Amino acid sequence: SQQGEEDPQALSIQEGENATMNCSYKTSINNLQWYRQNSGRGLVHLILIRSNEREKHSGRLRVTLDTSKKSSSLLITASRAADTASYFCATGRQGGSEKLVFGKGMKLTVNP
Amino acid sequence: GAVVSQHPSWVICKSGTSVKIECRSLDFQATTMFWYRQFPKQSLMLMATSNEGSKATYEQGVEKDKFLINHASLTLSTLTVTSAHPEDSSFYICSAGRWETQYFGPGTRLLVL
Repeated sequence: SQQGEEDPQALSIQEGENATMNCSYKTSINNLQWYRQNSGRGLVHLILIRSNEREKHSGRLRVTLDTSKKSSSLLITASRAADTASYFCATGRQGGSEKLVFGKGMKLTVNP
Repeated sequence: GAVVSQHPSWVICKSGTSVKIECRSLDFQATTMFWYRQFPKQSLMLMATSNEGSKATYEQGVEKDKFLINHASLTLSTLTVTSAHPEDSSFYICSAGRWETQYFGPGTRLLVL
């Protein structure tokens, strides 16, 4: 069953703008991860944030986690056309090599 | 590092035939691999968790006799779609677990005629 719900489901912006995606989940988690999928391809891991962390950065990515609200956000700064893809949040409940529960995904389009 | 390959990348077959898809972790050992199915413009649906040296754990509603999974080594898991039918046409993706992160293969597009 899917736990994560990304919001919005689709976002179209201009190159250079920032893109913010939100993810809500329902149960307690050990970690939350964001993945990117280019059309017709596999997923690429972007960033992982643990339940005891509130914010994490990786290059142009910034992810926040609010466990009290069971929500996370992914911010992509200074977007590029190459950032056009679908983005998924996924939650892990126990840590370790366990199954993840993926959200429905969000389609980001960055127009040049 | 953490590269996962998947083969074949696409396959077209006749209804009733069986299709085998391989998933390999190229530069790390994975005791756990995962098989997903994805329909157009939808999220990933986990089919099963494949554990090296033991039987796979299937998600509810996934027919284990239909989708045979073998994880014979720490770098290879295979998914066999037996007696494929048009409704099995889909995009199949595998991933290999490394600590909490999963590393995905590029996917296999299956079309059953």
